[in-house]
Amino acid sequence: DVKVTQSSRYLVKRTGEKVFLECVQDMDHENMFWYRQDPGLGLRLIYFSYDVKMKEKGDIPEGYSVSREKKERFSLILESASTNQTSMYLCASSFGRGTSYEQYFGPGTRLTVT
Amino acid sequence: GESVGLHLPTLSVQEGDNSIINCAYSNSASDYFIWYKQESGKGPQFIIDIRSNMDKRQGQRVTVLLNKTVKHLSLQIAATQPGDSAVYFCAEIWSSNTGKLIFGQGTTLQVKP
Repeated sequence: DVKVTQSSRYLVKRTGEKVFLECVQDMDHENMFWYRQDPGLGLRLIYFSYDVKMKEKGDIPEGYSVSREKKERFSLILESASTNQTSMYLCASSFGRGTSYEQYFGPGTRLTVT
Repeated sequence: GESVGLHLPTLSVQEGDNSIINCAYSNSASDYFIWYKQESGKGPQFIIDIRSNMDKRQGQRVTVLLNKTVKHLSLQIAATQPGDSAVYFCAEIWSSNTGKLIFGQGTTLQVKP
């Protein structure tokens, strides 16, 4: 089974702190994604990566950056956390080619910024 | 525009009845669609997918219907069970090169015993 793991299930940080969210997948997927999920807004794409060291902005990249130094790991960075970044963060991965574009999701990290 | 929507935020059904969850999409060029289920406290899980060259696809107790004429997608769940209670998302492929999906806002399915 494909496994996508996220470094923390729950995280509490203070405003202004630098926050790292880590995601690791074990299926050699080319594509990796970071979403945030808020009530009534569904899943919104922050950043994604289709190859090592490659990244593209999603729909809401402001206030975030990402790093993909190894194929299996995709990190989301909040340079200076703010209260409006309190949210559920979901990581996903998918194959780069093929007949399915299914994304496999991790369990999520619930981040609270106080 | 770039959006995938669901018609109802909440659907309540009796255990044993069939459920139908609807989704409207906007990009007529989309050729791949997925339904996800998200239980409380978990990440979304794949249920079923369908390509635009199909009108219908069946899985175990689930059927997805695609009407390209009106850009409408539906998920039918037969004999709904309490374990089906969750949020259901439809998604369409936005870029086959990068695998980017566009998600709808979700419908919460509540199953009454």
